[in-house]
Amino acid sequence: DAGITQSPRHKVTETGTPVTLRCHQTENHRYMYWYRQDPGHGLRLIHYSYGVKDTDKGEVSDGYSVSRSKTEDFLLTLESATSSQTSVYFCAINSRDTLNTEAFFGQGTRLTVV
Amino acid sequence: GNSVTQMEGPVTLSEEAFLTINCTYTATGYPSLFWYVQYPGEGLQLLLKATKADDKGSNKGFEATYRKETTSFHLEKGSVQVSDSAVYFCALRGTGGSYIPTFGRGTSLIVHP
Repeated sequence: DAGITQSPRHKVTETGTPVTLRCHQTENHRYMYWYRQDPGHGLRLIHYSYGVKDTDKGEVSDGYSVSRSKTEDFLLTLESATSSQTSVYFCAINSRDTLNTEAFFGQGTRLTVV
Repeated sequence: GNSVTQMEGPVTLSEEAFLTINCTYTATGYPSLFWYVQYPGEGLQLLLKATKADDKGSNKGFEATYRKETTSFHLEKGSVQVSDSAVYFCALRGTGGSYIPTFGRGTSLIVHP
């Protein structure tokens, strides 16, 4: 199995508080992604990274920020959590610049904003 | 941009029935195509893939053929088992957008004994 770990696995937080989710990989893969999974919407891309300090927005980036100071770590921050950000968050990694390599996923973080 | 459309679920079948989950895509150039499976409480994992036209990916009795002429990658299995109950995602990785994987919305499969 690919070495990708998300923490925490579960979190309950209050509206208005900042929250940081961590994705850690041991594969030295270049690309890292944050998705959220909601019923009826499948997986939606929040932010992605194509290298250290190189990040960009996905389709649902409002209210989220990311940082990647090391190859192995990709942090997702909810600046001020809202109930609409209650979701399951997945980190994924991809190697190299070739199209035929699959993504590897973490186990997910279930976040509840109350 | 790239997009993937797959049939909505849930798909409910009896054990040993034939399964088809339809998937079509829009992409420029020649993307690679994937099927992922997600079991309850877990992340997605690769089920099979095909990287060029007319390739057939297969794994665990599941198959899908990359049809460029119809831009499709339908998932099939001849005889499903209760253990196949999961959510299945069709995906592509293309040349647009920094090779970001694009996923369909997922299709839930429920197999009854």
